[in-house]
Amino acid sequence: DSGVTQTPKHLITATGQRVTLRCSPRSGDLSVYWYQQSLDQGLQFLIQYYNGEERAKGNILERFSAQQFPDLHSELNLSSLELGDSALYFCASSVTEMNTEAFFGQGTRLTVV
Amino acid sequence: GQNIDQPTEMTATEGAIVQINCTYQTSGFNGLFWYQQHAGEAPTFLSYNVLDGLEEKGRFSSFLSRSKGYSYLLLKELQMKDSASYLCAVTPMNTGFQKLVFGTGTRLLVSP
Repeated sequence: DSGVTQTPKHLITATGQRVTLRCSPRSGDLSVYWYQQSLDQGLQFLIQYYNGEERAKGNILERFSAQQFPDLHSELNLSSLELGDSALYFCASSVTEMNTEAFFGQGTRLTVV
Repeated sequence: GQNIDQPTEMTATEGAIVQINCTYQTSGFNGLFWYQQHAGEAPTFLSYNVLDGLEEKGRFSSFLSRSKGYSYLLLKELQMKDSASYLCAVTPMNTGFQKLVFGTGTRLLVSP
């Protein structure tokens, strides 16, 4: 158990819908990272937050957004869902924004039908 | 941009030694990570190399050559539970420390 908690573990939804994925970082970690992992693409960095502020953006679609709250948990919002958004979404956290070691949650498996 | 290459799949037998190679081309480089990921599970951290050379951690060792853009992960005394994907990832200097860029991973199958 890495100490990073993601909910829900599984999510099935229809195209066009909106979902929210939640991540609670390890106790004491200020930095949260979101990654998408699909079968053909490997792990892709989406976005990073540090102590409530956005720090870095990767290949995140405009239909996706995220935020980090004062209690440091983070949410990833995915809207106007398409079949191609089906993937595993991982959250990771680290103490600092230097990312020398990050711990991953168990992921949320999103299936869009 | 960044380009990371790893073999797609490797097989080995229990008790053997296997070396998983990773080559990378980045516009800048800070460090290289290896992660292990069992199917459908979270990646778990194995090693982080910044300087050239070999770092050993029990049955696992990781090597880095910055001048050659090359790393390998060495697994000794293979066990069935080592069957997993092994992901090589780099932190490119020009994007700062925040963004890990992952290779597509090497799926290792350990057979009895």
